[in-house]
Amino acid sequence: ILNVEQSPQSLHVQEGDSTNFTCSFPSSNFYALHWYRWETAKSPKALFVMTLNGDEKKKGRISATLNTKEGYSYLYIKGSQPEDSATYLCAFIPNAGKSTFGDGTTLTVKP
Amino acid sequence: KAGVTQTPRYLIKTRGQQVTLSCSPISGHRSVSWYQQTPGQGLQFLFEYFSETQRNKGNFPGRFSGRQFSNSRSEMNVSTLELGDSALYLCASSSWTGEHEQYFGPGTRLTVT
Repeated sequence: ILNVEQSPQSLHVQEGDSTNFTCSFPSSNFYALHWYRWETAKSPKALFVMTLNGDEKKKGRISATLNTKEGYSYLYIKGSQPEDSATYLCAFIPNAGKSTFGDGTTLTVKP
Repeated sequence: KAGVTQTPRYLIKTRGQQVTLSCSPISGHRSVSWYQQTPGQGLQFLFEYFSETQRNKGNFPGRFSGRQFSNSRSEMNVSTLELGDSALYLCASSSWTGEHEQYFGPGTRLTVT
C-alpha cells in the first residue's frame, strides 16, 4: 500500500496571508504527481500535473514544486482569498500503477 | 465539450441489494477511473479502465466490479450492499493515464440503509 501524506490536515488563515501545504509520497517508481482543488459541493478540479523532478508550475497566485528524489511536493498560495477556501488533494501515480490520493489539506480563508 | 456525467446522482438502497452506477466520460477520453469517498476518508481508488480493459484495481472486495464499453462509458456494480458502502462514488476520465489530468464527474451519493 502506497503512503501519500498531506500536511497540515487543515489550515485557517486570514485573507491576504500566504500559505503552503506539503504532499509526501514514495520516492521510488515515480511517474506523476497531480494536485487537485475540491470545493464544497463541487467535483475535484486539476490544478497541476507534475512529472519532472524540479518542476515548478504556476497558475495565478497558486504555484507548486516537485522533488521526486526525496518524495515531496509543495503547493503555495500567495495572498489567500476567501474563494481559495477548499480541500487541496495530491495524487501520486507510480509507473504502471494506480493513483493514490492523500487525505487532503482543507484551507479556510477568513475575510 | 460536455463534462463527465454520472447517473444517478443520488441513490438509496437497502442492505443486500445490488446497485449499478454509470459514468459517461468526456468525449475522446478513453480512461475512466472510479473512486470512493467515505466520511473522514480520502479518495479511495476502486479501478481504472482504458479501452475496455481494466488496468488497475484497488483494494476492494470482489463485490465491487466494473466494466467499460466501446464508447468509453463505464459502469460500476456493487453486489450485496453493506452499510459501509454508503459513500460518494466519483468517476474521472482522462485522455490517457497517469500523466494526464483527470476530470471528475459530480459523483453519485449512495446511501445504504
